[in-house]
Amino acid sequence: GAVVSQHPSWVICKSGTSVKIECRSLDFQATTMFWYRQFPKQSLMLMATSNEGSKATYEQGVEKDKFLINHASLTLSTLTVTSAHPEDSSFYICSVDTTGEYEQYFGPGTRLTVT
Amino acid sequence: GIQVEQSPPDLILQEGANSTLRCNFSDSVNNLQWFHQNPWGQLINLFYIPSGTKQNGRLSATTVATERYSLLYISSSQTTDSGVYFCAVRTSGSRLTFGEGTQLTVNP
Repeated sequence: GAVVSQHPSWVICKSGTSVKIECRSLDFQATTMFWYRQFPKQSLMLMATSNEGSKATYEQGVEKDKFLINHASLTLSTLTVTSAHPEDSSFYICSVDTTGEYEQYFGPGTRLTVT
Repeated sequence: GIQVEQSPPDLILQEGANSTLRCNFSDSVNNLQWFHQNPWGQLINLFYIPSGTKQNGRLSATTVATERYSLLYISSSQTTDSGVYFCAVRTSGSRLTFGEGTQLTVNP
């Protein structure tokens, strides 16, 4: 299966600042990556679908101007949380779509705390 | 969209016990995956099983697509099996939808 990394593993930032999270597909060229958010004791919620070379597709209710996604290469997608607020504190997880309809593989996640 | 229900929500076992986790879904699917989320948050792929039966060591899974459910069996449980088990499904052309998970605690 695909190996996916994320950086950083955890980050603490002050309210009003921006934070960038990287998602890398280490052994697979991914035209599509996904970004999820998970709050404590809850399931994963899809935020957006990241397509290499084109604009991301955001789920309903997700602010695209706040959560900026860039998928500039087949191995890297980035999520930037702009003007972060404490309610943005969460666990952010990316995944790689291998063959469109089959298995997804997930990164280890990034824990964001906004103070 | 498709609905995914997992049961039980919580399960506490003694080491060595067996368990069965269930996933019901509301529509036909062409992708069903079981994941284990460990205490550090990493999602580990257990099975890709849109239909049929698979086994991997102490774990096995069965999906009955015509009846829209899947079962995950854990035998001889160990403390390292603790964590949250998620079922996730996808219909053709749609996104992966997760259930709410089963929180498993295995006590020594």
